[in-house]
Amino acid sequence: EAEVAQSPRYKITEKSQAVAFWCDPISGHATLYWYRQILGQGPELLVQFQDESVVDDSQLPKDRFSAERLKGVDSTLKIQPAELGDSAMYLCASSLILAGLGEQFFGPGTRLTVL
Amino acid sequence: SQQGEEDPQALSIQEGENATMNCSYKTSINNLQWYRQNSGRGLVHLILIRSNEREKHSGRLRVTLDTSKKSSSLLITASRAADTASYFCATVHYTGANSKLTFGKGITLSVRP
Repeated sequence: EAEVAQSPRYKITEKSQAVAFWCDPISGHATLYWYRQILGQGPELLVQFQDESVVDDSQLPKDRFSAERLKGVDSTLKIQPAELGDSAMYLCASSLILAGLGEQFFGPGTRLTVL
Repeated sequence: SQQGEEDPQALSIQEGENATMNCSYKTSINNLQWYRQNSGRGLVHLILIRSNEREKHSGRLRVTLDTSKKSSSLLITASRAADTASYFCATVHYTGANSKLTFGKGITLSVRP
């Protein structure tokens, strides 16, 4: 069964360092999402792509976070510089059709710890 | 911002019992979805119910939606230890050409063998 791939699974970094996360969605899924999930909370959308275009990045802290999906397939989320408050699970998801019309498929996530 | 609010925050039951989880929301929605998350893992979609539907079934899952009360419930019948997980409701509201899922804080379900 096709799955969303994410790497790394775990990342420990020091404050002010740069980190990057990678996501490979299910083949054929045009819509890709990055979520941040703080422990004990639900996922919160950071950015949504339709093919290679950003359709929603209203909750992305653009002073330190950036996301790209250059060829409309895999995607990278970067944080520079990392802050203590960025410690969280970063989840990538993809869907075949527009967000909300159907189910989203989630990857296993990247657990980020900022020291 | 998180629109859905699940209730209770935590639930502990014995294997074989039914588990009922509730979700309330504030604004109008187009559909509502329930997801499950095992500890430290990604979310798995369970069921989607549209705003014009009142009840939906999938295996041991039964979801109801009451748009007049802005609430939904998820019933898991004959629970198993493997149902131990966090459960999230996510509301969907279409805005123009886009829509997105807004998740609640989740309910932690523990099923004792």
